[in-house]
Amino acid sequence: SAVISQKPSRDICQRGTSLTIQCQVDSQVTMMFWYRQQPGQSLTLIATANQGSEATYESGFVIDKFPISRPNLTFSTLTVSNMSPEDSSIYLCSVDQGGGTEAFFGQGTRLTVV
Amino acid sequence: KQEVTQIPAALSVPEGENLVLNCSFTDSAIYNLQWFRQDPGKGLTSLLLIQSSQREQTSGRLNASLDKSSGRSTLYIAASQPGDSATYLCAASTDSWGKLQFGAGTQVVVTP
Repeated sequence: SAVISQKPSRDICQRGTSLTIQCQVDSQVTMMFWYRQQPGQSLTLIATANQGSEATYESGFVIDKFPISRPNLTFSTLTVSNMSPEDSSIYLCSVDQGGGTEAFFGQGTRLTVV
Repeated sequence: KQEVTQIPAALSVPEGENLVLNCSFTDSAIYNLQWFRQDPGKGLTSLLLIQSSQREQTSGRLNASLDKSSGRSTLYIAASQPGDSATYLCAASTDSWGKLQFGAGTQVVVTP
């Protein structure tokens, strides 16, 4: 299993500002994933972060809006840039050890943009 | 593109009844299927993982089945308890690296 720590757990931000969310894993993992859960909805994958290469973004998500860093095998950050109220969501990071193993999730970051 | 659907969207049962939660997916070429539990305002807790070569998995009161040919998975929770109240999500993976496509979830309420 993997234990994932996400920071911050919640934040209230002004529109037009940026927030960086951190995800720390207690073991080395190849792939880390960032998901968004908008109010009342299910999870949507934002991007896949592989150490040593640029993140791969899903349709509808762009690097300028959601820049991601993956400096090592246990850490990643997601930045939500130039925020608007529509960015109010829970953002979750997830890891998988590969080979079809179980996915583990952090506790999420609840973001409110005012 | 893989689409995952969960029915019903919400379910309320009295304590002690068995729960049956349904998940369907459009692309049978899945790598695995995973069931999660989400409590309000919290992250996801993994419940069961079924590999594409498996038909079912069991853990305690939970049993999940997988029928790839019909594109369906079912989560059974025996003898429900109020502590089982949560949203249950199923997610299908179409590769070995863990990228998941989620259903919208089934919100379960178990009344004492």
